[in-house]
Amino acid sequence: DTEVTQTPKHLVMGMTNKKSLKCEQHMGHRAMYWYKQKAKKPPELMFVYSYEKLSINESVPSRFSPECPNSSLLNLHLHALQPEDSALYLCASSHDGLRGSSYNSPLHFGNGTRLTVT
Amino acid sequence: GIQVEQSPPDLILQEGANSTLRCNFSDSVNNLQWFHQNPWGQLINLFYIPSGTKQNGRLSATTVATERYSLLYISSSQTTDSGVYFCAVEISGGSNYKLTFGKGTLLTVNP
Repeated sequence: DTEVTQTPKHLVMGMTNKKSLKCEQHMGHRAMYWYKQKAKKPPELMFVYSYEKLSINESVPSRFSPECPNSSLLNLHLHALQPEDSALYLCASSHDGLRGSSYNSPLHFGNGTRLTVT
Repeated sequence: GIQVEQSPPDLILQEGANSTLRCNFSDSVNNLQWFHQNPWGQLINLFYIPSGTKQNGRLSATTVATERYSLLYISSSQTTDSGVYFCAVEISGGSNYKLTFGKGTLLTVNP
């Protein structure tokens, strides 16, 4: 079992749909992340929130919209996605360490949401 | 950006065998982590090890930061060790929070 919980586990959506991915952690971590992982590839960073503020946006298309309502929750809103956006979407969290980085802080991943865009 | 190279890319073992996975990186780092991704996609943090040696059961890891490499040792391998092992690093003085992942080592342990 993981201490980072993601819902749903699987999601199939059409290109005109609007959906949201949800992530929750109760470890007191103040840094939360969204990663995207394609088959047989390493995870790719999308967004980082630190103390509920967006810290990093890795030039992600605007059809992906992150939201951090509070220190325990992280959402990823999806709209007008393309089939190539189909992937495993992973949420992660860590303590917010020295100098506002993940320094000295292991990253904990959720089990992911497998997204298929049709 | 920083380069992270893992070797070997693929490894097949018989249950009970030992193995060593390597991670080379091209710049100074203040954060290095090893992860295991099982066949169902779950990513588990194995070690946070920017330097030194740590052990956890049958797994141990060593990072020699001055020589820019890290090793992950798996002893008495079990079928449940199968999956992809990723090394990930954060460059010293670089973009905060940004872990750069290697391409991984795909380990298959046969019964």
